[in-house]
Amino acid sequence: KAGVTQTPRYLIKTRGQQVTLSCSPISGHRSVSWYQQTPGQGLQFLFEYFSETQRNKGNFPGRFSGRQFSNSRSEMNVSTLELGDSALYLCASSLLPGNNEQFFGPGTRLTVL
Amino acid sequence: GQQLNQSPQSMFIQEGEDVSMNCTSSSIFNTWLWYKQEPGEGPVLLIALYKAGELTSNGRLTAQFGITRKDSFLNISASIPSDVGIYFCAGQPYAGNNRKLIWGLGTSLAVNP
Repeated sequence: KAGVTQTPRYLIKTRGQQVTLSCSPISGHRSVSWYQQTPGQGLQFLFEYFSETQRNKGNFPGRFSGRQFSNSRSEMNVSTLELGDSALYLCASSLLPGNNEQFFGPGTRLTVL
Repeated sequence: GQQLNQSPQSMFIQEGEDVSMNCTSSSIFNTWLWYKQEPGEGPVLLIALYKAGELTSNGRLTAQFGITRKDSFLNISASIPSDVGIYFCAGQPYAGNNRKLIWGLGTSLAVNP
C-alpha cells in the first residue's frame, strides 16, 4: 500500500509569510504526528492528531498549528515565518496514537529567506 | 525538550567492518526504536524493541533493549556502501501518560568502499 505522502516537497518563503503543509497518512492509519528536523536539533516533536483532535503538543510557539480531517489527512500551518523556521518538516503516521511504530513521509523542505 | 544521548555522533568506516552505536537515557523507557534516514527521505523504521533484554535482528542489523531499560544499542555487521545514512534511536518513557517519542540526535555513518 502507498506510504505517507507529503506536499509540497520543497517550499521557499520570505519572513512574515505563512505556509501550509499537507500530509496523507498510510491508508488505515488514523494517527498523524509532525516533526521539525534541523541539523543541530534532530527531530523535534510538533504535535500529534487522532480522530481530528490534537492529542499531544511539543514546545513550539503558537505560530505553529495543525489540524486533521475526517479522512485522517493532516495539515500544519506556520504563520509569520521566521528565518529559524527553515527546516525539514516530517509527517509520520501510525495505526493508533501511542503506537510507536511510526512511518514517515519524505518531508517538506521549507526555506525562509 | 528531552533527548536521548546517542553516540557516536558520526562514524567513518571501511566496507566490511562492523558498526556499533548506542543510546542512553537517564529515565526508564518501555520502547526502543531504531530508524535510518537517507538524504532527501524521511526516517525508516529498522527495528522495534518492547521488552528489557530483548535482542532482535533484521538482516545484518541487530539491536538490543538494555536490561536496565535505560539504554539500547544497534550493531551493523559487515557494512556495505548502502548502509550510509543517519541512524536515529527513539524511545518512549515508561512513566506518565505522555506518549511522545523521545529522539536521539543521530549517528551519521559513512562507509568507504
